[in-house]
Amino acid sequence: DTGVSQDPRHKITKRGQNVTFRCDPISEHNRLYWYRQTLGQGPEFLTYFQNEAQLEKSRLLSDRFSAERPKGSFSTLEIQRTEQGDSAMYLCASSYPSGANVLTFGAGSRLTVL
Amino acid sequence: GQNIDQPTEMTATEGAIVQINCTYQTSGFNGLFWYQQHAGEAPTFLSYNVLDGLEEKGRFSSFLSRSKGYSYLLLKELQMKDSASYLCAVRAGSYQLTFGKGTKLSVIP
Repeated sequence: DTGVSQDPRHKITKRGQNVTFRCDPISEHNRLYWYRQTLGQGPEFLTYFQNEAQLEKSRLLSDRFSAERPKGSFSTLEIQRTEQGDSAMYLCASSYPSGANVLTFGAGSRLTVL
Repeated sequence: GQNIDQPTEMTATEGAIVQINCTYQTSGFNGLFWYQQHAGEAPTFLSYNVLDGLEEKGRFSSFLSRSKGYSYLLLKELQMKDSASYLCAVRAGSYQLTFGKGTKLSVIP
């Protein structure tokens, strides 16, 4: 069990560019979540997958954001036409559907939009 | 919607005990979680309460009162490495968690 992996760890981009983040969850976890965290704030929920199905999306997820989990394993989060307000840490988490359904987080992908 | 409140910052002395409070307002409550987050790192799971009462896990304990919408995290025998942000999170209805803004704890010698 290597934990939840996220790539890249850091991304600096210019406003208007597209960026994509990848998340590899813990292998036996069928639930996958994306959160966004800015400095001094708690993580904010963006979206959630169960297997390949995207079951819930936050109102924070504007039409510039899209997430996929095509085979029910890894997931990608794409941000199109980035804005400076998109600068944040993008956290991925996964969980196993039993007991407390504890979310295990990855180390995050930090995005800086210039 | 959900509302979660916790103090922004706290300071405590090495070896002491500190209590971090969390109040919440939600419908469809289905569990309360505490996470620890060191600067620049991922949140890591500390505790889970779904029924009223105290859950103890080593130096860390968490308490829940569902009728009062209240929880606390108790840290005993504080160590310098406990300096971190502590996040209170509530699950209501679905599987995702709603987090508070976090309490930044500074442990001083």
